[in-house]
Amino acid sequence: GAGVSQTPSNKVTEKGKYVELRCDPISGHTALYWYRQSLGQGPEFLIYFQGTGAADDSGLPNDRFFAVRPEGSVSTLKIQRTERGDSAVYLCASSLLGEGGNEQFFGPGTRLTVL
Amino acid sequence: AQKVTQAQTEISVVEKEDVTLDCVYETRDTTYYLFWYKQPPSGELVFLIRRNSFDEQNEISGRYSWNFQKSTSSFNFTITASQVVDSAVYFCALIISGNTPLVFGKGTRLSVIA
Repeated sequence: GAGVSQTPSNKVTEKGKYVELRCDPISGHTALYWYRQSLGQGPEFLIYFQGTGAADDSGLPNDRFFAVRPEGSVSTLKIQRTERGDSAVYLCASSLLGEGGNEQFFGPGTRLTVL
Repeated sequence: AQKVTQAQTEISVVEKEDVTLDCVYETRDTTYYLFWYKQPPSGELVFLIRRNSFDEQNEISGRYSWNFQKSTSSFNFTITASQVVDSAVYFCALIISGNTPLVFGKGTRLSVIA
């Protein structure tokens, strides 16, 4: 079956612009996560959805970042007034809900470059 | 708060050597799950193993083995007879109970030279 897909694979934008990054999780996976990975670092948590609602958005760095998952499947991460420091690979993962510790399946990521 | 430390930033070995990647974790929770992921040059994170905090049995899968020791809060990963295809960045990660986000270490870059 299809894995987690993310579009676009690469996005180059100018400082101050608005961008949207899309994640299509594995069908049937209720949990969806967004992470950000800077060069030479491990992925860092941004936001986590259970179904349509954000269960934990404590990782969003500031109010320029926002994510939605209106129908409980596809999610969009939105970044307003982009800054050069937002340049990173944005990773999406999905998993089944359960007692915990379920394997998270990762997408290939979107590499965002802010010039 | 949870924390994962991978003290080895980069390791380089010659093909067929054995190599161990270290992982030390911190959590106050008694129920937690430990993971290893592989990130090859293509960039996609590949799941390798999950271990829950109540199961300290070591595990072997082909050339891969994992040593979980709660007494030292470590979950080390050994590759036996390394191959060039093992070259990647390896991440250790932690989840506390529930569907919470993964807390990753900074990763260890392994280079296997032919």
